[in-house]
Amino acid sequence: TAGITQAPTSQILAAGRSMTLRCTQDMRHNAMYWYRQDLGLGLRLIHYSNTAGTTGKGEVPDGYSVSRANTDDFPLTLASAVPSQTSVYFCASSDSSGGMYEQFFGPGTRLTVL
Amino acid sequence: GQNIDQPTEMTATEGAIVQINCTYQTSGFNGLFWYQQHAGEAPTFLSYNVLDGLEEKGRFSSFLSRSKGYSYLLLKELQMKDSASYLCAVMDSNYQLIWGAGTKLIIKP
Repeated sequence: TAGITQAPTSQILAAGRSMTLRCTQDMRHNAMYWYRQDLGLGLRLIHYSNTAGTTGKGEVPDGYSVSRANTDDFPLTLASAVPSQTSVYFCASSDSSGGMYEQFFGPGTRLTVL
Repeated sequence: GQNIDQPTEMTATEGAIVQINCTYQTSGFNGLFWYQQHAGEAPTFLSYNVLDGLEEKGRFSSFLSRSKGYSYLLLKELQMKDSASYLCAVMDSNYQLIWGAGTKLIIKP
């Protein structure tokens, strides 16, 4: 079982360019999340989705957008990248419908914006 | 505001016991999680406490006191592979996780 996969593993992006980080899970979890992790800071929630077709804003949503067309995929798009978006991005999922709130994480995408 | 506090770094000796503390102030409480994160890897789940008391799972135990806004993770019989960051996270009233910055645990032989 793959669990959660993310692509790409790492990317260097020029400021002003757009990019989509991909996230796919095969656990049929209803909820999915995007976090960024920066040195010295805790994981910060960017966007989340409690079920296919719905999304919500987290703590730091500006400059990012998401969609949840189906249960398995939850892509994160940077419309016009800025250097402050340099970070490690983690996608996660959970089966909150069953009252189990443990989040499972993908391997992360390391993004550098120059 | 919401706040999770844990020490930035701790050092311990192989074979010993270490306790990592976490204090929190959040809007609502629906449980506290501990995750382990090795350098360059994703966080992995260790424990979940929603009621006061101690939960034991092998070499790892986690304690919660809701009245004090306090938890700790206890690691026994430390092994070199336990060198990692340990993340404390609280689930708030919206069922979202609020994360601490993590405690980097260094194990020395």
